[in-house]
Amino acid sequence: GAGVSQSPRYKVAKRGQDVALRCDPISGHVSLFWYQQALGQGPEFLTYFQNEAQLDKSGLPSDRFFAERPEGSVSTLKIQRTQQEDSAVYLCASSLGPTSGQETQYFGPGTRLLVL
Amino acid sequence: DAKTTQPTSMDCAEGRAANLPCNHSTISGNEYVYWYRQIHSQGPQYIIHGLKNNETNEMASLIITEDRKSSTLILPHATLRDTAVYYCIVRDPNDYKLSFGAGTTVTVRA
Repeated sequence: GAGVSQSPRYKVAKRGQDVALRCDPISGHVSLFWYQQALGQGPEFLTYFQNEAQLDKSGLPSDRFFAERPEGSVSTLKIQRTQQEDSAVYLCASSLGPTSGQETQYFGPGTRLLVL
Repeated sequence: DAKTTQPTSMDCAEGRAANLPCNHSTISGNEYVYWYRQIHSQGPQYIIHGLKNNETNEMASLIITEDRKSSTLILPHATLRDTAVYYCIVRDPNDYKLSFGAGTTVTVRA
């Protein structure tokens, strides 16, 4: 079946521009996660949704970052007034069940954001 | 705070077993050991996880020491497609986040 998809795969933005990154999770998956991966490092947690509810946004680095999942399926990560330090790969993951440390997370290919 | 320690990199020969070590000396009794890998330009991929017993699936085997302070991921017959960064993660069953470290860059050579 279809996995997690993300779009665009690559995005170049000028400093100060707003960007929107889309994630289509696996159909029927309740949980959705966003991670940020800087070059040469492991992914770091940004935020978590259970259906349409954003239960944890503790990893969002600043108030310029905003995520939503209004209908409990597709999610969008928005970054306002992008800065060079926002350059990274943004990964989306989904899992079948609600919060559980035993649920397998399935990752999308990521969106590589470059801010000039 | 890193809960795991992995070598930065390792090489292995195609067709041979690859043994990837991970130290997790502060692991708690209810925490699981998870392994993910990330092939270049792709998202992380789940490999296997375990609590106390050794585990095996179609991708790999996971050997956890009796004191649970370390584990080894075994790729039985490494292929060039197994070249990737491998992440060992200690995960509380109540924690939905995955906390990745820097991982081990594994290069399989022909």
